[in-house]
Amino acid sequence: DTGVSQDPRHKITKRGQNVTFRCDPISEHNRLYWYRQTLGQGPEFLTYFQNEAQLEKSRLLSDRFSAERPKGSFSTLEIQRTEQGDSAMYLCASSPGQGWNTEAFFGQGTRLTVV
Amino acid sequence: AQTVTQSQPEMSVQEAETVTLSCTYDTSESDYYLFWYKQPPSRQMILVIRQEAYKQQNATENRFSVNFQKAAKSFSLKISDSQLGDAAMYFCAYRGEGNTPLVFGKGTRLSVIA
Repeated sequence: DTGVSQDPRHKITKRGQNVTFRCDPISEHNRLYWYRQTLGQGPEFLTYFQNEAQLEKSRLLSDRFSAERPKGSFSTLEIQRTEQGDSAMYLCASSPGQGWNTEAFFGQGTRLTVV
Repeated sequence: AQTVTQSQPEMSVQEAETVTLSCTYDTSESDYYLFWYKQPPSRQMILVIRQEAYKQQNATENRFSVNFQKAAKSFSLKISDSQLGDAAMYFCAYRGEGNTPLVFGKGTRLSVIA
């Protein structure tokens, strides 16, 4: 088990472009979470999946953001028409889903810079 | 909505000494979990310790222990015999009933001085 994997690790894009990030959770983890972390702040929840179903979306997740988890395995987070305010670290985490004392395992994140 | 507050943006400790990081939270739920996560520079976040709200006994993991005061809604982390590898951002996090997503504080940056 290699842990939660995120790709790419870094992304620099021009304002107005679309970007897509990928997250591969630990195999057989039912739950997958996306968080955004800006400098000097803690991670802020964006959305999460139970298998392929998207169960909750934060109000932080504007219409320009969309997330998918086809087949309940990997997940993608797409940001359309990027803005400078989207610059942040995007973290993915997964957990087994059974029991709410379970640990969430985090990936190393994708750092997005919008110029 | 639940909130988590870490009032110490930065802390420092001498190697081999003890340091305590503070965390308070606000919730109306009676049953929940609390976590401390460590985020080393440019590395992924890892779990340090967790506490179940209905357990009165404070959790301990080797050099890490918590002081959980449910009535005061306080959840501090004590690191004993601090090591250089303990230098990192530390985040306090809350998970409510029904396995809801974690809610994080803003973090405390811990420096360890040799």
